[in-house]
Amino acid sequence: GAGVSQSPSNKVTEKGKDVELRCDPISGHTALYWYRQSLGQGLEFLIYFQGNSAPDKSGLPSDRFSAERTGGSVSTLTIQRTQQEDSAVYLCASSLGGAGMDGYTFGSGTRLTVV
Amino acid sequence: QQQVKQSPQSLIVQKGGISIINCAYENTAFDYFPWYQQFPGKGPALLIAIRPDVSEKKEGRFTISFNKSAKQFSLHIMDSQPGDSATYFCAARPNTGGFKTIFGAGTRLFVKA
Repeated sequence: GAGVSQSPSNKVTEKGKDVELRCDPISGHTALYWYRQSLGQGLEFLIYFQGNSAPDKSGLPSDRFSAERTGGSVSTLTIQRTQQEDSAVYLCASSLGGAGMDGYTFGSGTRLTVV
Repeated sequence: QQQVKQSPQSLIVQKGGISIINCAYENTAFDYFPWYQQFPGKGPALLIAIRPDVSEKKEGRFTISFNKSAKQFSLHIMDSQPGDSATYFCAARPNTGGFKTIFGAGTRLFVKA
């Protein structure tokens, strides 16, 4: 597609439930990133996929968070047993990857509210 | 944790004025310094970027100034317009360790008409 697509755009869930957030990157972009943005805050790195390499999970805040990327394309971020502090906008970005003069293209995000 | 420190947190500028946002980075190997612009309800969008071997880059009303020795870089928005009102993030990408970009905390810019 022309841009990075994320779904759903909004998600309200009850505390303790599991949620899945989806990201469809730009075709041909080998790198995919998940960031989290809390209200009025900056961007917190969560996880990074590059081609067929093992993902960089160093930003995941707890073992309740996991992500996968199937076929080098679509990615799903899963949050198990959601907590109120997980409420945030979850942003996905993709890029050509590597060391080029290449910025990220972000999706519009999924706004997660845990009640 | 490698950091990029951004200031000010918020900025109010009169229409036609110059908006200046500053960032500083710590002692590490970054090779790419992008700026992103974010409107409410949208994801950040790449605005302009610079490599550390260049001291200045200009695109329209937007200019990045880069001081490698001081480990500082800044965004100047000339002739600021109400449509420039947004949150701006500076960022830096290391040239090792997977190239994941580190973002500043953001600056909320409001341009008064």
